[in-house]
Amino acid sequence: GAVVSQHPSRVICKSGTSVKIECRSLDFQATTMFWYRQFPKQSLMLMATSNEGSKATYEQGVEKDKFLINHASLTLSTLTVTSAHPEDSSFYICSASRGHNTGELFFGEGSRLTVL
Amino acid sequence: GESVGLHLPTLSVQEGDNSIINCAYSNSASDYFIWYKQESGKGPQFIIDIRSNMDKRQGQRVTVLLNKTVKHLSLQIAATQPGDSAVYFCAEKRNNQGGKLIFGQGTELSVKP
Repeated sequence: GAVVSQHPSRVICKSGTSVKIECRSLDFQATTMFWYRQFPKQSLMLMATSNEGSKATYEQGVEKDKFLINHASLTLSTLTVTSAHPEDSSFYICSASRGHNTGELFFGEGSRLTVL
Repeated sequence: GESVGLHLPTLSVQEGDNSIINCAYSNSASDYFIWYKQESGKGPQFIIDIRSNMDKRQGQRVTVLLNKTVKHLSLQIAATQPGDSAVYFCAEKRNNQGGKLIFGQGTELSVKP
């Protein structure tokens, strides 16, 4: 099946710094990528929808200036957590869509962010 | 609706028994549903999907049932094995919200040997 790679898988940073997480579709072109966050023992919460070459669409309550999303190519989307704080510590997961059918939606392995 | 802030319910079954995991959805416009399995520290894995023009779909050891009248989805796992222990999520594709995929609350399945 199609592969979506996230990097880094784990990152620890100091409060106030910014962290960038990459999401790559390795063997297909992803017209749309989605970013989710997940707190322990909770479900995945959609943060934003990212379309190649256009601005991301953020879900209600998600700060676009805090979570910067860039989808510069059909194989790469990045999420930057700016001025990270301990409450931003979470599991961030991306998914990539190969087509308009969401059935062709492939998930990355997630990135664990810990902000000290 | 979204399940943010709610903690996962748990289901404990004996190895070899059948498991039934339930999910309720709220959006009448959703026409495509997927069950995912998530192991600790990993991303979701696709298990099985179903479109709204069906009420049942079977895979290998898994069956998904869809009841659109009451907006209810279930996942049945036959002969549950220890390797099935994980968190299971249903997800719905919301056509009236740009086709985004929204996850349900999730259920933690624990299989006792």
